[in-house]
Amino acid sequence: GAVVSQHPSWVICKSGTSVKIECRSLDFQATTMFWYRQFPKQSLMLMATSNEGSKATYEQGVEKDKFLINHASLTLSTLTVTSAHPEDSSFYICSARAGDVTDTQYFGPGTRLTVL
Amino acid sequence: GQNIDQPTEMTATEGAIVQINCTYQTSGFNGLFWYQQHAGEAPTFLSYNVLDGLEEKGRFSSFLSRSKGYSYLLLKELQMKDSASYLCVVMDSNYQLIWGAGTKLIIKP
Repeated sequence: GAVVSQHPSWVICKSGTSVKIECRSLDFQATTMFWYRQFPKQSLMLMATSNEGSKATYEQGVEKDKFLINHASLTLSTLTVTSAHPEDSSFYICSARAGDVTDTQYFGPGTRLTVL
Repeated sequence: GQNIDQPTEMTATEGAIVQINCTYQTSGFNGLFWYQQHAGEAPTFLSYNVLDGLEEKGRFSSFLSRSKGYSYLLLKELQMKDSASYLCVVMDSNYQLIWGAGTKLIIKP
């Protein structure tokens, strides 16, 4: 099946620094990629949706200047958490979809961010 | 390698019971999640099992057998709104999520 990878798997950083997380579709071209935050034993919270070559669409309440998303190619999207603070500590998950809304979404393994 | 297997698609009748099975082979185990996802929406958390046995939550129940690498999600009194994809997800020893491809459940009147 289709594979989505994320890098890094986990990251620890100091408050005030920026962290970049990569999401790659390894064996298919993803026209749409999604970024989620996951809180323990809770539903995934959609942060933003990005289509290759265009600006990301952010969900209400998500600061686009803080969570910078770039989807420069059909196989790569990046999420940069700028000026990270301890409250940004979370599990970030990306997913990728090749076709339209009826097509399968493939999820990445997640990136655990801890901000000290 | 790490692997999650679940049926691609299942069909059931409104009011009936359906069991969605999931088998897994992963590097370690730190729990198994079931999510429900409607097309175009974010996955919704249904259950989390880390110990063997059955967890019941309303119409939904989830079972885990770690020795067998097996889980199932049981949906009772099916409603049309239960038509969705159901994702089996295992957290491995590195706290990474291994996602199944999802089971598309079709409910018929």
